[in-house]
Amino acid sequence: DAKTTQPNSMESNEEEPVHLPCNHSTISGTDYIHWYRQLPSQGPEYVIHGLTSNVNNRMASLAIAEDRKSSTLILHRATLRDAAVYYCILRDVEYGNKLVFGAGTILRVKS
Amino acid sequence: DTEVTQTPKHLVMGMTNKKSLKCEQHMGHRAMYWYKQKAKKPPELMFVYSYEKLSINESVPSRFSPECPNSSLLNLHLHALQPEDSALYLCASSLETSGRPTGELFFGEGSRLTVL
Repeated sequence: DAKTTQPNSMESNEEEPVHLPCNHSTISGTDYIHWYRQLPSQGPEYVIHGLTSNVNNRMASLAIAEDRKSSTLILHRATLRDAAVYYCILRDVEYGNKLVFGAGTILRVKS
Repeated sequence: DTEVTQTPKHLVMGMTNKKSLKCEQHMGHRAMYWYKQKAKKPPELMFVYSYEKLSINESVPSRFSPECPNSSLLNLHLHALQPEDSALYLCASSLETSGRPTGELFFGEGSRLTVL
């Protein structure tokens, strides 16, 4: 499984944008970049995914570097409810059903 | 209905007990998963079922025995567990069963297991 590297923790102020980075220098051409988050006392939940182009949905935006060796999850206006562990995960087309979590980034949001 | 329901929410068992964890979804998903999560650690994949057949076993000890009796139900049978098996056990499901790694996984809230 290709490896991702994320900061252990980040802090943000409420109502401000948050940029969560992820490095994946060994990414292969068939790896999709997925983001999940896990709120306290809950199971993980899907946030967004992409392959090459930037992606937007109602929860967040995903910016993917041109060489695909890094990506950034963008929360446009952080709320207290966004405090969670954010996981950046690579999923390979060959092993599509495997979702393997790395250490993730603990996001703290201050009011 | 976009829920994955896990029961029980909490389970305490002795090392000689036999117990089961249950997971149910009614989203028509054909892939189901078991993950194990220790405190302050990321979830670790244990098993994947695709169309009720075991497709991935991540070298899990035989004291954990998964079962998928139908497309909506996933069980994890527990026998002769050790205290270090105490953890949160998460179930998930997804629509895709082929090699398309684009679909999202839906997770339950987990069953917290304590082995005495």
